[in-house]
Amino acid sequence: RKEVEQDPGPFNVPEGATVAFNCTYSNSASQSFFWYRQDCRKEPKLLMSVYSSGNEDGRFTAQLNRASQYISLLIRDSKLSDSATYLCVVNLAPGGYQKVTFGIGTKLQVIP
Amino acid sequence: DAGVIQSPRHEVTEMGQEVTLRCKPISGHNSLFWYRQTMMRGLELLIYFNNNVPIDDSGMPEDRFSAKMPNASFSTLKIQPSEPRDSAVYFCASSWNSGNTGELFFGEGSRLTVL
Repeated sequence: RKEVEQDPGPFNVPEGATVAFNCTYSNSASQSFFWYRQDCRKEPKLLMSVYSSGNEDGRFTAQLNRASQYISLLIRDSKLSDSATYLCVVNLAPGGYQKVTFGIGTKLQVIP
Repeated sequence: DAGVIQSPRHEVTEMGQEVTLRCKPISGHNSLFWYRQTMMRGLELLIYFNNNVPIDDSGMPEDRFSAKMPNASFSTLKIQPSEPRDSAVYFCASSWNSGNTGELFFGEGSRLTVL
């Protein structure tokens, strides 16, 4: 089983739609969780951290379910500029070090 | 502020040649990561340094791959001899390791093609 699993998509959604991505992780000892965004032929960049209580940043909402070992990202009112690949990231952080594992990414295409 | 700087941005080489990729992390960061990205496998961690010391090299595919970090401002990833299956984008990332948090900042990547 992969350490971090995501549906690679693509998800094709119209502008203004709400879209949700899920991601599951295998190691229950994982410490911290993130969503990164990667534009075509660019480097990944941090989109947002994911906290146990859930957190929101504008149109983006991230949630963590430790019991079921999954995290989610919800994008409301999709914009054309949201088209990108969204990477689920898990940090196992053994002994205070970092063991950062990326999912394969979910590709989102927002259509006019 | 300067971000993570990688060179070369693009490299095309022939099978059997040596390839050296270079990375300058963000000043003050104490963790450095080398990742490889392909369509099929996504981003794979090759090696992780903390305070210039290799902590986790379990992702290094085989003996043809080696990485060094002689000081806090420079790291190299070497492939010798290179093979066509090594073709990928190689990313270097750095962070400030504050326990289990710490955003990774990526360089623009080195796109390697081995013919």
